[in-house]
This record gives sequence, C-alpha cells and structure tokens, in this order.
Amino acid sequence: AQSVTQPDIHITVSEGASLELRCNYSYGATPYLFWYVQSPGQGLQLLLKYFSGDTLVQGIKGFEAEFKRSQSSFNLRKPSVHWSDAAEYFCATANQAGTALIFGKGTTLSVSS
Amino acid sequence: DTGVSQDPRHKITKRGQNVTFRCDPISEHNRLYWYRQTLGQGPEFLTYFQNEAQLEKSRLLSDRFSAERPKGSFSTLEIQRTEQGDSAMYLCASSLEGVLNSPLHFGNGTRLTVT
Repeated sequence: AQSVTQPDIHITVSEGASLELRCNYSYGATPYLFWYVQSPGQGLQLLLKYFSGDTLVQGIKGFEAEFKRSQSSFNLRKPSVHWSDAAEYFCATANQAGTALIFGKGTTLSVSS
Repeated sequence: DTGVSQDPRHKITKRGQNVTFRCDPISEHNRLYWYRQTLGQGPEFLTYFQNEAQLEKSRLLSDRFSAERPKGSFSTLEIQRTEQGDSAMYLCASSLEGVLNSPLHFGNGTRLTVT
C-alpha cells in the first residue's frame, strides 16, 4: 500500500538559512506526491505536487521539491527560511484509487532568530 | 471563496455521549472529505463524498461513526457512544475535482475532547 515517511519529527533552522525536509515514499510505480503546510490556527494548505515530468517542482511561498526515484524521496526545500515559515509540514501521497490523500506524520519546523 | 468552515471549533463531551460536527465546504466543490488528526500524527482519511454519495469509507470509521451529506452541500459527522480514544482533531476538506486534479482545501477543524 502507498505510504510516505517523514524521518524528522522536529527541525530548527535559523532565519535566513536553507531548509530541507525529508520525505520517503513507498510505492512501485510513479507515485503522486504532495507537500502541505499547517500553520498555527490555520487549515492545511497545498505547497506543491508532483505527478510526472520535470523532477524539480516549484510551489508557493518560495518552496520547491525534488523527486528522486533512485532514493524514493521527495524532499522539500527552501533557500532562505523566514520566521513565518514556522509550521508543521506534511508529505502526502494519493491512495491507489486516487480518491484520497495519505499523509505522513509531519515535521514541525521551528525558526530561530 | 469563503473557505471551508467547521463547527464547532471545540467540543468537550463525556464518554458515552453522542456528538455531531458540521462542515460547510466551498460552495462549488462537489468532493468532501473527513480526516482525523491525533497528536503527533498526520491526518488520517475517514471518508469521502462526491456530491451526496458517500463513495469511500476507511476501516478507521467504526460502526459508531456516521457521515452524511444530504444535499451535496454541507456534511455532518456523528460519533455515537464516544470513547476517550475518539479525542482528536476532526478535519474537513473539499475539492472541485478529485485529489489528482485539484487541491484539497481544509477547514480549521473541530477539536474533540472526550473525558
């Protein structure tokens, strides 16, 4: 069955530093992959998605993610983190029927000044 | 786009009581989803509607849980005979098309505490 794993529960990054959040997927064929962000007091918001094609995808808020089949990974990156990026980040994949999303356990990002 | 709204924001109930939550999706969205999120976990899929039809239910949705979307607009999620293990954030999401074609828009959730 499809699943995603986020190895890091909590990451702290200095403001202005680069960020990489890890996500590993488990599925034989090319998966449908997503990154969502949950800011305090707000609903989850889609940052970006990958289905096929160019393995580097751009999203909102300056985020990007790279699909690497050889590593079964879809890591989220941002070159310079802002304090407002502090939030919980979820990697997700679609279920086999393509009718719902399966989320990882999330990574909490803290930004230090 | 007024967003997905959920009511109530918080609910505290005693074990054994019934509770009902409401979700109002974005008006033109025909897909509606319920998820449950517990501390330290990502959202877990519960059920999904296309218009008024409930097309998929997770095995997480025990017999005590029932969801409806009577007119293809708002939806309710009822939990009967609540247990402490039901304590969680219940999230509703809607989308214009399926998850592969349009993003899910999530509400802020209803936090249930069962004492």
